[in-house]
Amino acid sequence: NAGVTQTPKFQVLKTGQSMTLQCAQDMNHEYMSWYRQDPGMGLRLIHYSVGAGITDQGEVPNGYNVSRSTTEDFPLRLLSAAPSQTSVYFCASSSTGREKLFFGSGTQLSVL
Amino acid sequence: AQKITQTQPGMFVQEKEAVTLDCTYDTSDPSYGLFWYKQPSSGEMIFLIYQGSYDQQNATEGRYSLNFQKARKSANLVISASQLGDSAMYFCAMRDSGGSNYKLTFGKGTLLTVNP
Repeated sequence: NAGVTQTPKFQVLKTGQSMTLQCAQDMNHEYMSWYRQDPGMGLRLIHYSVGAGITDQGEVPNGYNVSRSTTEDFPLRLLSAAPSQTSVYFCASSSTGREKLFFGSGTQLSVL
Repeated sequence: AQKITQTQPGMFVQEKEAVTLDCTYDTSDPSYGLFWYKQPSSGEMIFLIYQGSYDQQNATEGRYSLNFQKARKSANLVISASQLGDSAMYFCAMRDSGGSNYKLTFGKGTLLTVNP
């Protein structure tokens, strides 16, 4: 039972570099989302998707792009990393937006 | 205004005692859901309990119960008979329509420490 799989678990980037955080789920969930967690801030929604081909912005979307070409995958792209994007990133999914979220194990990203 | 407020940055409890973690929320939507998640030091997010706004009874899951007071807009988590393994960060979250049915908004969390 893989659930929600995120890669990589750790990543260090230099300012201006680009990268993609991968997220895949094998539960046939329609709803997928990306959160970032910063100390004292809780989890804040970056982008979400309610199905293949449909994405929308969350609370803190600037500096991030997403796409949803398949039900299983929901990658998060940082086009030009900034130190302010140093954070722990979580991907989460649910069968519908009304159900509990299943979380991936997180990606710890540092931008120097 | 914050949608979810957790006023206790940190809480301490003795092993085997009960503890209440506070959560208040703000919504004008009559249909909403409230969630509690646990995040141990290892970092994973663990779902604990769910309460729907139309549920007549308070939710319970083993040692976890949710003290749902709709008029006060509070959804406090009660952990009975605390165990050392309950030491973790706890997040309250809400899903309401607010322009979208799909956004789960989290509070800033409460760090619970269980002392032996």
